[in-house]
Amino acid sequence: RKEVEQDPGPFNVPEGATVAFNCTYSNSASQSFFWYRQDCRKEPKLLMSVYSSGNEDGRFTAQLNRASQYISLLIRDSKLSDSATYLCVVRAGNTPLVFGKGTRLSVIA
Amino acid sequence: DGGITQSPKYLFRKEGQNVTLSCEQNLNHDAMYWYRQDPGQGLRLIYYSQIVNDFQKGDIAEGYSVSREKKESFPLTVTSAQKNPTAFYLCASRPWASTDTQYFGPGTRLTVL
Repeated sequence: RKEVEQDPGPFNVPEGATVAFNCTYSNSASQSFFWYRQDCRKEPKLLMSVYSSGNEDGRFTAQLNRASQYISLLIRDSKLSDSATYLCVVRAGNTPLVFGKGTRLSVIA
Repeated sequence: DGGITQSPKYLFRKEGQNVTLSCEQNLNHDAMYWYRQDPGQGLRLIYYSQIVNDFQKGDIAEGYSVSREKKESFPLTVTSAQKNPTAFYLCASRPWASTDTQYFGPGTRLTVL
């Protein structure tokens, strides 16, 4: 079983749409959770950390369900500039981050 | 200007040659990491180092070597033993607190001809 699983997409959505990505992780000892964004041929960049109570940053909302080992990212009012690959990332303690393969989003005008 | 630098951005080598990729950070981060990314694939961990003069193998260490003689530097050598070295190589670093995440350099795109 893969440690972090994501739907690869692509998700093709019109501008202004709301889109949600899901991610599951297999290591129940995972303690830290993040969403990264990676543009084509660029390095991944931290989008947001994911906290147990859920958290919001502008148009982005992240949720964590520890019992189901499930993480989600919701993007509201999609912009063309949101087009990228979104990586779900987890870590147990001080071990290296474990990355999902990413979900590709294309926002269409 | 703080950050992680990788050089060069693009690198071409002939098959059978060893090549060393540079990674430098001035963020005073303790841990440093090397990943490889192939088209349509996720990031795979090659090596990582949590303190100076110490490093551990990641998931795909065969054909690679590293050193960590200074806190700010973590060079990666791609040896001729690496069977398919053409890829996008990413270096990352982070402070030691368990809740901190990693920050990436801009990457080096290696093509072996």
